[in-house]
Amino acid sequence: DGGITQSPKYLFRKEGQNVTLSCEQNLNHDAMYWYRQDPGQGLRLIYYSQIVNDFQKGDIAEGYSVSREKKESFPLTVTSAQKNPTAFYLCASSIKPALTSGSRHEQFFGPGTRLTVL
Amino acid sequence: AQSVTQLDSQVPVFEEAPVELRCNYSSSVSVYLFWYVQYPNQGLQLLLKYLSGSTLVKGINGFEAEFNKSQTSFHLRKPSVHISDTAEYFCALGGGSYIPTFGRGTSLIVHP
Repeated sequence: DGGITQSPKYLFRKEGQNVTLSCEQNLNHDAMYWYRQDPGQGLRLIYYSQIVNDFQKGDIAEGYSVSREKKESFPLTVTSAQKNPTAFYLCASSIKPALTSGSRHEQFFGPGTRLTVL
Repeated sequence: AQSVTQLDSQVPVFEEAPVELRCNYSSSVSVYLFWYVQYPNQGLQLLLKYLSGSTLVKGINGFEAEFNKSQTSFHLRKPSVHISDTAEYFCALGGGSYIPTFGRGTSLIVHP
């Protein structure tokens, strides 16, 4: 079955450590996204990528980094510069951004990773 | 700039009662609207979408929504809710950019 996987489901980090969250999709989607979710704040966009080897900052990119070396994979690194990283992280994908139809706005989400700083 | 407002942060309702979750939007370009549901500690999944055509859209789990251009609304309704409908619901707007704008979410709490 096609879909998006995220691992691990739960992650614990000590202060000062970098951690990497995995996101893989087999939907053949071109665009991928990372969101952060905090209680009562909805979804906030961290980074997004339209195509391999290219990505752009979202609204809250400080303290995070990404790479897009393969179409299927879009890992997120939470660095020690992120002062308040405890949150639920969601990865999503969508079809070609260049399409003019409304379908390009539909996003498919992974199950999420809950990161806790100890 | 486009925006989405979900007017209620929390909606409590008894089982088998009808429910309406409200969503208003603002956009100066073409409008594509979505409702997603999120169960605790899970990702979002699509409930329904309006891309064009009929303004009444039916989705999964018995939900439906009506696109109202004059009132810039896309309210989500279900005639009879179940305990299992307890979840967070997000309204999203697609327009100029391919990246949608999400509302802050409405927590639906179904009581027995």
